[in-house]
Amino acid sequence: NAGVTQTPKFQVLKTGQSMTLQCAQDMNHNSMYWYRQDPGMGLRLIYYSASEGTTDKGEVPNGYNVSRLNKREFSLRLESAAPSQTSVYFCASFSYLGTDNYGYTFGSGTRLTVV
Amino acid sequence: GENVEQHPSTLSVQEGDSAVIKCTYSDSASNYFPWYKQELGKRPQLIIDIRSNVGEKKDQRIAVTLNKTAKHFSLHITETQPEDSAVYFCAASIGNYGQNFVFGPGTRLSVLP
Repeated sequence: NAGVTQTPKFQVLKTGQSMTLQCAQDMNHNSMYWYRQDPGMGLRLIYYSASEGTTDKGEVPNGYNVSRLNKREFSLRLESAAPSQTSVYFCASFSYLGTDNYGYTFGSGTRLTVV
Repeated sequence: GENVEQHPSTLSVQEGDSAVIKCTYSDSASNYFPWYKQELGKRPQLIIDIRSNVGEKKDQRIAVTLNKTAKHFSLHITETQPEDSAVYFCAASIGNYGQNFVFGPGTRLSVLP
């Protein structure tokens, strides 16, 4: 039982290049999320998907697109990478975690550097 | 929209002492407040949460308190240990959906031996 799996773990892009971050969860959760984490700014929501077939913008969606491919997979695409997109990206799914706790299960993160 | 502030940004305590991290939020509709711990180079993990109909919740050495009137909530760690050293994030739920959150900027806690 892997939980939430993200790939790749590290990536360096040149300005203008494109790439897709992959995320898959095996917990049968409906809701999935993409966050970016920058020093001193906490976690900021990029996009989310409340259920298969739906996606919505979060706080910082500009420069990104997402696809909810099926219930398991939620990908994040950078069409034309910019240095401002250098960050650590976390995928998450939301569900009941036990003992009356609800919350996110996060993936291990992708450290992206755009040069 | 919702805004979550968190203080202090860094906190150093001696092993065995208590640590307190405070957060404020702006949206009175927020009703769920989780806390996450992130160790260096690792993913955030939920450590405790509280709902708006509860004033305090405890789990061993960790407790969270909520004051809905004042719109603030706090994390209390007692008898701190070196393994408590990490970055702690508070969060507040937003919207009717209740599964989206705004996070605070984080507190780096260092427990000194």
